[in-house]
Amino acid sequence: QVQLVESGGGLVKPGGSLRLSCAASGFTFSDSYMSWIRQAPGKGLEWISYISTRGITIYYADSVQGRFTISRDNAKNSLYLDMNSLRAEDTAMYFCARVLGDYFPDWGQGTLVTVSS
Amino acid sequence: SYVLTQPPSVSVAPGQTARITCGGSNIGSESVHWYQQKPGQAPVLVVYDDSDRPSGIPERFSGSNSGNTATLTISRVEAGDEADFYCQVWDSRSDQGVFGGGTKLTVL
Repeated sequence: QVQLVESGGGLVKPGGSLRLSCAASGFTFSDSYMSWIRQAPGKGLEWISYISTRGITIYYADSVQGRFTISRDNAKNSLYLDMNSLRAEDTAMYFCARVLGDYFPDWGQGTLVTVSS
Repeated sequence: SYVLTQPPSVSVAPGQTARITCGGSNIGSESVHWYQQKPGQAPVLVVYDDSDRPSGIPERFSGSNSGNTATLTISRVEAGDEADFYCQVWDSRSDQGVFGGGTKLTVL
């Protein structure tokens, strides 16, 4: 079955950087579009980024454009999110999700990012 | 950017029908998807493309979409249905995913 396992979260100071990873299994990762979605504590879901199968097409939410970079390594069945210039408002649980059409049928359990001094 | 509006909360007695709305400008022309999220868990897709159900989702969950409102309907509500529900579309004009603010379903 589809399994998505995020890692790399933790405590980081404002202005710092962090790299999140998502290990995929149970499906053909190289044929799948992927996204990152986050959820601030006690808040709703926020889509933040999308990447096509070969990484040619990439989209970002306005809130992270220019600070976050999505990438993938199909040989390693892995998705990444490089986060720079982190702010307190980036504090959230970060989920990776498989994209099908324009929805998200499969999600990981998430990794928590806390931005605080 | 495209905005989806959901009521913050909906309450329903067990066995009754819950309806959760998702408002958006001409949302009837979009494909709407719904997710259920229980505390401490990742969201689960319960309806996609307005009214289709993934395998494993009970028939009690159904969706509709017309005009400026999409609706998730949960029939014969059970205590285990208590959760937050989110609607979602893909805004092709901005190439961004969009979620509604979420609705907390309380089973009385």
